[in-house]
Amino acid sequence: DTGVSQDPRHKITKRGQNVTFRCDPISEHNRLYWYRQTLGQGPEFLTYFQNEAQLEKSRLLSDRFSAERPKGSFSTLEIQRTEQGDSAMYLCASSPDSLNEKLFFGSGTQLSVL
Amino acid sequence: LAKTTQPISMDSYEGQEVNITCSHNNIATNDYITWYQQFPSQGPRFIIQGYKTKVTNEVASLFIPADRKSSTLSLPRVSLSDTAVYYCLVGMYTGTASKLTFGTGTRLQVTL
Repeated sequence: DTGVSQDPRHKITKRGQNVTFRCDPISEHNRLYWYRQTLGQGPEFLTYFQNEAQLEKSRLLSDRFSAERPKGSFSTLEIQRTEQGDSAMYLCASSPDSLNEKLFFGSGTQLSVL
Repeated sequence: LAKTTQPISMDSYEGQEVNITCSHNNIATNDYITWYQQFPSQGPRFIIQGYKTKVTNEVASLFIPADRKSSTLSLPRVSLSDTAVYYCLVGMYTGTASKLTFGTGTRLQVTL
């Protein structure tokens, strides 16, 4: 399978714990995006990478959220001190270099904070 | 960013053609129009993209009038498996950041 891969698919954690999600983009795609989606809403943009550079992070929901893409390949999204309001689907997408962005999404990580 | 407006929901019978219209009155000159499909518990899937006039692929057609202030996604002969949420996005890569914004989409329900 050469699509965008996300791991884990599901994560259940207790409030206050830290969680980390991984995204492996399509190999030739230099751009990588993180979105969050809650029930009944469209995906909400969080942050974006061009290769290893994080070019947009103002939409990260709080300083408890951070993302990395250390070698311009896979990326991780970490949430520290999780809260119940963090429960959502976290989606990763990648895109090739072009002006007309076409996003290819993974299946997401469903986070439940108890 | 160009804001988009779509119907919240639509219903159709299997075998019919479905047209979903998206309004984007403040679309910028270089913006592209892209449609995505999303099934429950999955990420959105790219359907079609266009800049002007008409674009057709194996899945759908996209009609864009000359003023580009709206666009219509056309799904020919829908089946039950086309039941999903459809999102219209307008924008382009700006060189330093990307802020592609999804709205709440159009929930299409196909029945027999």
